[in-house]
Amino acid sequence: AQSVAQPEDQVNVAEGNPLTVKCTYSVSGNPYLFWYVQYPNRGLQFLLKYITGDNLVKGSYGFEAEFNKSQTSFHLKKPSALVSDSALYFCAVRDPNTGGFKTIFGAGTRLFVKA
Amino acid sequence: EAGVAQSPRYKIIEKRQSVAFWCNPISGHATLYWYQQILGQGPKLLIQFQNNGVVDDSQLPKDRFSAERLKGVDSTLKIQPAKLEDSAVYLCASSSNGDNTEAFFGQGTRLTVV
Repeated sequence: AQSVAQPEDQVNVAEGNPLTVKCTYSVSGNPYLFWYVQYPNRGLQFLLKYITGDNLVKGSYGFEAEFNKSQTSFHLKKPSALVSDSALYFCAVRDPNTGGFKTIFGAGTRLFVKA
Repeated sequence: EAGVAQSPRYKIIEKRQSVAFWCNPISGHATLYWYQQILGQGPKLLIQFQNNGVVDDSQLPKDRFSAERLKGVDSTLKIQPAKLEDSAVYLCASSSNGDNTEAFFGQGTRLTVV
């Protein structure tokens, strides 16, 4: 069965510093991986996805993520954090080998960027 | 392009009452999802439709929850009777055909059961 883990409940970083939000996954084959962001009282917004190809994918708002198959990880990164990046971040995995495109979400990581 | 629309935004009911949520997906999106997000947790898939057929409802508590997607467009999710533990945000999402497409989420309905 597919699963996804976000080992950190919270990440704190100073504005201007690089940030990393961690995600590891478990699927039977090659995964499709997604990152979403949730601002207060808002629905989830898509940031980026890895389907195939280059292991480094770039997304919205300057975020990027690196797919590492050997470590089964898909960490979210940004070179320079902004206060406005403070939000709840969710990693999600989809196993294309199972029918129906079922997507499993992690528990989320709250990012605090301090000015 | 209009996003995923959900109503109501907020609902407070007493336990054992019934409640219904409505979702209108992005035009042309064949796949529609209902997720339950309990405070402090990630979204949990309740049911997934492909057009008007159910693809996955393995985590839907079928003794009290039901969902339908008539004509493959709008969808309703119903809870009857509600329990205290059903207090959560109910998110509707949609995606276009294809297993590599991302989902677009509505703002959600915050349900409080007292």
